[in-house]
Amino acid sequence: DAGVTQSPTHLIKTRGQQVTLRCSPKSGHDTVSWYQQALGQGPQFIFQYYEEEERQRGNFPDRFSGHQFPNYSSELNVNALLLGDSALYLCASSTSHRDATYEQYFGPGTRLTVT
Amino acid sequence: GEDVEQSLFLSVREGDSSVINCTYTDSSSTYLYWYKQEPGAGLQLLTYIFSNMDMKQDQRLTVLLNKKDKHLSLRIADTQTGDSAIYFCAEKDNQGGKLIFGQGTELSVKP
Repeated sequence: DAGVTQSPTHLIKTRGQQVTLRCSPKSGHDTVSWYQQALGQGPQFIFQYYEEEERQRGNFPDRFSGHQFPNYSSELNVNALLLGDSALYLCASSTSHRDATYEQYFGPGTRLTVT
Repeated sequence: GEDVEQSLFLSVREGDSSVINCTYTDSSSTYLYWYKQEPGAGLQLLTYIFSNMDMKQDQRLTVLLNKKDKHLSLRIADTQTGDSAIYFCAEKDNQGGKLIFGQGTELSVKP
């Protein structure tokens, strides 16, 4: 049973560029959340996708956008990259089934460096 | 407001018990979690507790919840060097699926 997978593992981009990160949820999960973890900090919630729609959003600018596909996988897009966007981006998956909505499992993350 | 606070560092000897503490502010939180993060890795779900429980035990892990004081703790019995990692406390937003994390407690286990 595959857990949450993310790609790529590492990425280096230049200020002003755009980036796309990808996530495949754990088998049986239909909900994907994205978090940003700056060095030495706890993860910060970016947004959550369910049924291909953004269901909840944290305090992140519109430069951060996402998408969920019919197979439940998801993408995180960041436009006009800033140096401050350098962080570990974590994807978490969960299920909407009422008995198990409390379990969120995280992928290994994508380390983004903006120079 | 939403805020989860943890002490930043804890150092213990191998074989001792470790207790990691956390305070949270949202009294309507339904679930509270402990995650473990090893260097360069993602977050591993260790355990969670529903807000109507006071205690949960899972092998070497014991979670205690004091709702009145909004205080959560994680006790690791017989701590091993492999337990060295950063431990995050998190509360689940009652509005949806958002998790609100603390800053993490770095646990160092000395042989």
